[in-house]
Amino acid sequence: DAKTTQPTSMDCAEGRAANLPCNHSTISGNEYVYWYRQIHSQGPQYIIHGLKNNETNEMASLIITEDRKSSTLILPHATLRDTAVYYCIGAGNTGANSKLTFGKGITLSVRP
Amino acid sequence: EAQVTQNPRYLITVTGKKLTVTCSQNMNHEYMSWYRQDPGLGLRQIYYSMNVEVTDKGDVPEGYKVSRKEKRNFPLILESPSPNQTSLYFCASSLKINREIFFGPGTRLTVT
Repeated sequence: DAKTTQPTSMDCAEGRAANLPCNHSTISGNEYVYWYRQIHSQGPQYIIHGLKNNETNEMASLIITEDRKSSTLILPHATLRDTAVYYCIGAGNTGANSKLTFGKGITLSVRP
Repeated sequence: EAQVTQNPRYLITVTGKKLTVTCSQNMNHEYMSWYRQDPGLGLRQIYYSMNVEVTDKGDVPEGYKVSRKEKRNFPLILESPSPNQTSLYFCASSLKINREIFFGPGTRLTVT
């Protein structure tokens, strides 16, 4: 069962913020929201994850709504190298809900 | 440099000829796994290992074997490859389950 839904694609201008949405209304209280990205057939790359608080690292920010039904990954200053498929995944850390299931993701195209 | 390496990166083989794809990580990670990626089907987990001598089936284990005799290595074995195993394969590792997962560069396998 897909735990998350994402738009198929989006684009943004180079240098602008890219805001990638994700709906996860069915994830349980102990399941994290993970974001990975995959640049053209390379191995997926971890970006960030969070449970209920907003998170920020050197790559991106993750904003999770208070009801945890959706979240937004923010790339603050998108570059052409950020063009990739971005996967939003809901998973726990133990037991049966710990498996990371990669869906189709959202294809982000950064235009010059 | 912290990394997951896979060999070979590209392989063309014939039906029924046993092959092994090696995977090695230099981060002392406990958790390792194998995925295959096919167009329209996304990334699917084949096998995973929680630690040395502990392996378990993922979503699509049929036709594959794995072993985890050492912490750093997690080879994928195809005893009798068939054309439906033509795919892009990724090895991955993480310190614990669902911590930041590092993926290898991928092995593109073609079985004729």
